[in-house]
Amino acid sequence: DTGVSQNPRHKITKRGQNVTFRCDPISEHNRLYWYRQTLGQGPEFLTYFQNEAQLEKSRLLSDRFSAERPKGSFSTLEIQRTEQGDSAMYLCASSLGGWSNEKLFFGSGTQLSVL
Amino acid sequence: QKEVEQNSGPLSVPEGAIASLNCTYSDRGSQSFFWYRQYSGKSPELIMSIYSNGDKEDGRFTAQLNKASQYVSLLIRDSQPSDSATYLCAVTYSGAGSYQLTFGKGTKLSVIP
Repeated sequence: DTGVSQNPRHKITKRGQNVTFRCDPISEHNRLYWYRQTLGQGPEFLTYFQNEAQLEKSRLLSDRFSAERPKGSFSTLEIQRTEQGDSAMYLCASSLGGWSNEKLFFGSGTQLSVL
Repeated sequence: QKEVEQNSGPLSVPEGAIASLNCTYSDRGSQSFFWYRQYSGKSPELIMSIYSNGDKEDGRFTAQLNKASQYVSLLIRDSQPSDSATYLCAVTYSGAGSYQLTFGKGTKLSVIP
């Protein structure tokens, strides 16, 4: 082990297409997070899972976005009908959980470019 | 609106000097505070966490927390060119069932050899 793994590293797509990203967290971590980061900004929270349950979603997560974490292991983030404004780095992070002392460990991210 | 504010910089310091990075946050109920380092084109990497008022030291890094002033800082002693990166302040906000980590925009640090 290894750290958090994200695939693909880069994705170029045309506007209107659907894309799906995958995240494999650190194996003993039960919390998994998705963040989005654009140039010059800090990461923005999108959603998080505790095991397989999606417990919190940001208002940034429009109806075109959906995330799953079947069986509480890996997670996927799908964006339907992509728009140019979706171009960003999508970061996955995981943590052990526990009372409020959240230490997030990030994957390398998936850089999405929507043409 | 819960906010984390940082000076975007760039902050330039000569090699060997102390770099001082600052962060303020808006929610008095915030409980956990983190500093992440992010090299250009890479993902954030956790370097320090602090949960109670005062100083916490780890090698060349010292995190300082003042909850009354809603202020967190990071000091980097003996700055090296390899410390050149963007430093992100992050705060966990209180709230039942919420473990959302909110980030500032980051301060870009440049250490001049």
